Amino acid sequence: NAGVMQNPRHLVRRRGQEARLRCSPMKGHSHVYWYRQLPEEGLKFMVYLQKENIIDESGMPKERFSAEFPKEGPSILRIQQVVRGDSAAYFCASSPGLRSEQYFGPGTRLTVT
Amino acid sequence: KNEVEQSPQNLTAQEGEFITINCSYSVGISALHWLQQHPGGGIVSLFMLSSGKKKHGRLIATINIQEKHSSLHITASHPRDSAVYICAVRSEEGGDSNYQLIWGAGTKLIIKP
Repeated sequence: NAGVMQNPRHLVRRRGQEARLRCSPMKGHSHVYWYRQLPEEGLKFMVYLQKENIIDESGMPKERFSAEFPKEGPSILRIQQVVRGDSAAYFCASSPGLRSEQYFGPGTRLTVT
Repeated sequence: KNEVEQSPQNLTAQEGEFITINCSYSVGISALHWLQQHPGGGIVSLFMLSSGKKKHGRLIATINIQEKHSSLHITASHPRDSAVYICAVRSEEGGDSNYQLIWGAGTKLIIKP
């Protein structure tokens, strides 16, 4: 059973471009969580999704950021018109149920130049 | 004051030493997680606890619900144990709908050969 997969592992974007981060949850997991880790800081919750539904996006900036988890395929975190402050590690976690243990992916390190 | 406090912030020890990392929290919780993050690397879930003690290899995690305190111990420490160890709790507020983790700032552990 493969773990949580994230790609790309490293992503470099120029200011103003779009960044798309992908997360494939573990098999059988229908709950996906996205976290952001700014340099030298702890993880911060961004958004929680179940298949085809956003349950809680309270941690996600209202502008430029969006997330989806379609019926088929990975969850996508999309950042439009990236700025230098978006440079961070973005981690995805999945769980089989609401109160189950969350399993983390390796993260995507986004660098905005 | 943060709801989850870890100590120490930084810990350097010699190979073979017994290591203890502490986590105190101020909210009622339904579960506590210990996670490991290597420099530039992903996050690995080590333990999820709601009571008592768990052991996996050289790692032991304990929790005292009454005292709102958990410890992570590493026996016979090795340089490959060098990483950031993070404590995160799930608050019991909100009952079954509560999925968000409250994160500690992490403890940076360096084991010297």
